[in-house]
Amino acid sequence: DAGVIQSPRHEVTEMGQEVTLRCKPISGHNSLFWYRQTMMRGLELLIYFNNNVPIDDSGMPEDRFSAKMPNASFSTLKIQPSEPRDSAVYFCASSPSPYGGGSPSYNEQFFGPGTRLTVL
Amino acid sequence: EDKVVQSPLSLVVHEGDTVTLNCSYEVTNFRSLLWYKQEKKAPTFLFMLTSSGIEKKSGRLSSILDKKELFSILNITATQTGDSAVYLCAVEGLNSGGSNYKLTFGKGTLLTVNP
Repeated sequence: DAGVIQSPRHEVTEMGQEVTLRCKPISGHNSLFWYRQTMMRGLELLIYFNNNVPIDDSGMPEDRFSAKMPNASFSTLKIQPSEPRDSAVYFCASSPSPYGGGSPSYNEQFFGPGTRLTVL
Repeated sequence: EDKVVQSPLSLVVHEGDTVTLNCSYEVTNFRSLLWYKQEKKAPTFLFMLTSSGIEKKSGRLSSILDKKELFSILNITATQTGDSAVYLCAVEGLNSGGSNYKLTFGKGTLLTVNP
């Protein structure tokens, strides 16, 4: 298995531009997570999906951020318009959900390599 | 709001030393505590702890949880340069809506092992 795949690996954009980050989870995993990591705030969970349905988006910082999961093998995180304070590494992760419902299996959570976003 | 505090923030040791990393937490309806190792890229899972007093062990790494005092420690014995990384502690607790569990991470401890 190729693991969790994220693209692009690096993104440099100017303030005000729209940014779209992409993620392909591990096949068979039905929970998907988006995280953001900065020096100041550490690693923060933004949103997670179970069976393609958003379960908890309380970590999404503002309305400028949105995430979708149109099918089991693809998710996007969009920032529009982007701001310099959005600069961070964005990780996608996936896991199976043996508990059923909306509770993921964090000990079986695998992270992607991350997208380093720089907003100038 | 859930809180996870790790200490020290950074640590420099020599190969062969033993280190202890600390993690204290405040969380609503605790379910588990997890340790991750993060080198240059993404975090990788080390341990998941749910019960007090039961040590989890993997090679030179071990961890234990105290649910009464709300903390965990991660021990690394006979450290090697390959142990150099950021070690992250995360706690799983009920979200504000009370319907799902979510992870809250600490800021991490940066461990540097010099030869």
